[in-house]
Amino acid sequence: RKEVEQDPGPFNVPEGATVAFNCTYSNSASQSFFWYRQDCRKEPKLLMSVYSSGNEDGRFTAQLNRASQYISLLIRDSKLSDSATYLCVVPVGHKFYFGSGTKLNVKP
Amino acid sequence: SQTIHQWPATLVQPVGSPLSLECTVEGTSNPNLYWYRQAAGRGLQLLFYSVGIGQISSEVPQNLSASRPQDRQFILSSKKLLLSDSGFYLCAWTIGNTEAFFGQGTRLTVV
Repeated sequence: RKEVEQDPGPFNVPEGATVAFNCTYSNSASQSFFWYRQDCRKEPKLLMSVYSSGNEDGRFTAQLNRASQYISLLIRDSKLSDSATYLCVVPVGHKFYFGSGTKLNVKP
Repeated sequence: SQTIHQWPATLVQPVGSPLSLECTVEGTSNPNLYWYRQAAGRGLQLLFYSVGIGQISSEVPQNLSASRPQDRQFILSSKKLLLSDSGFYLCAWTIGNTEAFFGQGTRLTVV
């Protein structure tokens, strides 16, 4: 079983829509979680950190469900500039495991 | 502030040739360092990580190797490249289990 699993998408949504991605992880001992954004042919960049039950930053909300071992990312009022691939990251010891990413296409 | 440098940005190499990619970090001490590879349209695969000078852990068997000759320097090497080594190579650093920061990556094409 993979350490981190994500729905690859793509999610095609209109501007202004609300969209949510889920990510499941296998190691119940993991304490911190991250969402990264990766634009085409670029390096991943940190979007949000999740250390407890959740985190909110403007239009972005991350939630953690330890019992079910999943992390979600909610994007409200989608913008064209939100189009990217969103990667879920779960550290296990010194290793950072990445999900395969969920592709989001926001259309006018 | 901390920065990470990775070079070259793009590389085209023939099959069977050697490889050396270098990554350096500035502005921090004792970072954990990582090499990832991303095949086209795929996720990031952890290749190597290092928690200190000379300490290398390998995640997958392959014809690549890594070295950490200095605290903030991480090198990815190969003696003979294969076609399957093509991909986007990313170096990253962290302190503990805080977020990872990435270099700009090297796009390697083996021909």
